[in-house]
Formats: sequence, structure tokens, C-alpha cells
Amino acid sequence: DSGVTQTPKHLITATGQRVTLRCSPRSGDLSVYWYQQSLDQGLQFLIQYYNGEERAKGNILERFSAQQFPDLHSELNLSSLELGDSALYFCASRDRSGYGYTFGSGTRLTVV
Amino acid sequence: TQLLEQSPQFLSIQEGENLTVYCNSSSVFSSLQWYRQEPGEGPVLLVTVVTGGEVKKLKRLTFQFGDARKDSSLHITAAQPGDTGLYLCAGGGGSNYKLTFGKGTLLTVNP
Repeated sequence: DSGVTQTPKHLITATGQRVTLRCSPRSGDLSVYWYQQSLDQGLQFLIQYYNGEERAKGNILERFSAQQFPDLHSELNLSSLELGDSALYFCASRDRSGYGYTFGSGTRLTVV
Repeated sequence: TQLLEQSPQFLSIQEGENLTVYCNSSSVFSSLQWYRQEPGEGPVLLVTVVTGGEVKKLKRLTFQFGDARKDSSLHITAAQPGDTGLYLCAGGGGSNYKLTFGKGTLLTVNP
């Protein structure tokens, strides 16, 4: 157990639907990062939150959104899903040193 | 846009062999990290290098950060089947909030 908890582990849904992925960071970490991993693109940075505030945005589609709550857990919302959104979605938290990243075990999203 | 190129993309070797994988960029990074990822799991941080020319050792793994902080290498001595996995390099961290990942080297060590 890495200390970063992601749920659900697997998700199968139809095109056009909306899903929510959840992440609880490691105890004491204030930063949460979301990444998408696909076979052809590798790990792509989506968005980062720090203590409830958005800090950086990467290649995140407008159909996707995220937030970090006061208890520091984060949710990634994916809407109007397309087949190409099928991927592994990882959450990571970063410690206060700035270099200690811990990844969760991911959510495998399959859009059919 | 900062990009990291990893080579080789695939590597299949026999137990006991040595290997080196490379991570190269045209950009300077404040730090460089190496991760190992196994199927169905998230990447696990192996090491962070922050100083140009820095060398770090982790048992049979040796990591080097290039003098210009644009490239890095990972050398494994006497590889074992347990070393099998996807090795990813990532640049950034620190005050640069996000990590930029290479596409990885998929290593298979055959017994």
C-alpha cells in the first residue's frame, strides 16, 4: 500500500456517460496530481491541486474537471466520454520536500 | 514543451546480464526521477537526482544525471527476473510543479 488510495480500481462505462474518479493522498501531503496513461502517449499530466487550489494544468480536456476538497481528497470528473478516453488514470501526491511523489494504483477506465 | 526521450523502448535480456537505459532531453531539468512500474500498479519512485553530474546507487542500480542536467542513465548490474518492469524517467519536481515523463523502457529479464 503506497498510502495513496484510488477508487474505483476498474470502471466500464458507455460513450457519452460521466464518471468520477476519487483519490485520497498520503497523510500529510497537500499536493495532488492527476495523470492519464495510455499505450501510445505514456503518462500525461492532467492537473495539479495544492491544499484545495488548482496550481497547474496540463493536457486536460474541457470535458474533464477536477477539484480538491477540504479533507484533501480529490475527484476527477470525466464527462461525455469517448472511446479514446479509455486509459489508466493515476493520482499522485507529493511531499513537502517537493520531490517525493507517491502514486496510487490507478483506475482503469474502459469506455465501450 | 519539455520532452524526454527514453531508449531503448524494449529490452529483453538474460538473468545476470548488465544493461543501461537512457533518458535524454533538449531541455534542462531542475531534477530527474526514475520510476519502476509493474502491470496493474502505479509507478514507484526509485531515485531523484538534482545536481548535474550526480551519481546515485541503489543496490545493483546506478543512476547518473548528466552534467548539463538534460540527460540521465540507469545502469543495472547482474539483472534479475525481479527487475522486470517498465522503467520511467521523469523531469521536473521541486518548484516546477508537474513531472514530465518519458514513455519508458520495458525491461524483461529472463531466468
